Amino acid sequence: GAGVSQTPSNKVTEKGKYVELRCDPISGHTALYWYRQSLGQGPEFLIYFQGTGAADDSGLPNDRFFAVRPEGSVSTLKIQRTERGDSAVYLCASSLMGAREQFFGPGTRLTVL
Amino acid sequence: AQSVTQLGSHVSVSEGALVLLRCNYSSSVPPYLFWYVQYPNQGLQLLLKYTTGATLVKGINGFEAEFKKSETSFHLTKPSAHMSDAAEYFCAVSEDTNAGKSTFGDGTTLTVKP
Repeated sequence: GAGVSQTPSNKVTEKGKYVELRCDPISGHTALYWYRQSLGQGPEFLIYFQGTGAADDSGLPNDRFFAVRPEGSVSTLKIQRTERGDSAVYLCASSLMGAREQFFGPGTRLTVL
Repeated sequence: AQSVTQLGSHVSVSEGALVLLRCNYSSSVPPYLFWYVQYPNQGLQLLLKYTTGATLVKGINGFEAEFKKSETSFHLTKPSAHMSDAAEYFCAVSEDTNAGKSTFGDGTTLTVKP
């Protein structure tokens, strides 16, 4: 079966631009997570969804970051007015309801020039 | 609040030698603990997990870890390193009662010398 997929794999943008990062979870996984991994650090939690709703968005750094999951499957992480400090690898993971084992995608490497 | 400390950002061993990667955690409730491996340009892959029950947990590729509550540790070991074990390893803790939201350590890069 297919794993978690993320598109694009790489995104280069200019400071101030808007970007969208997409995550396709494993079919049937109701929980979906976004993490951000900066160079030399471990993944940092951003937000997670149970179904369509954001169950915990406490990790979003500020209001420039927003994520949606309108149909309970694909999720999009949206970043407005990008800053150079947003450059990182954005990881998506999914899991079955109530399970703690997460399955990670390969990530999207975002570079803000 | 939960936190994870991985002692040693870089560990180097010879092929065939013991691998020991250290992880200490802080948690206000009984934790769920994980080790993940990340190969270059790939996503994180779960090596093993501790939830409840037996404190010695066996994972893939010959790795195992022991949960020691008194030491708040979850160190990862492998008796004999292989060249293919060279990668970055992350320890993670989860307190969430309903899902897998995790806090990760900063990782340990394992180098295996021939």
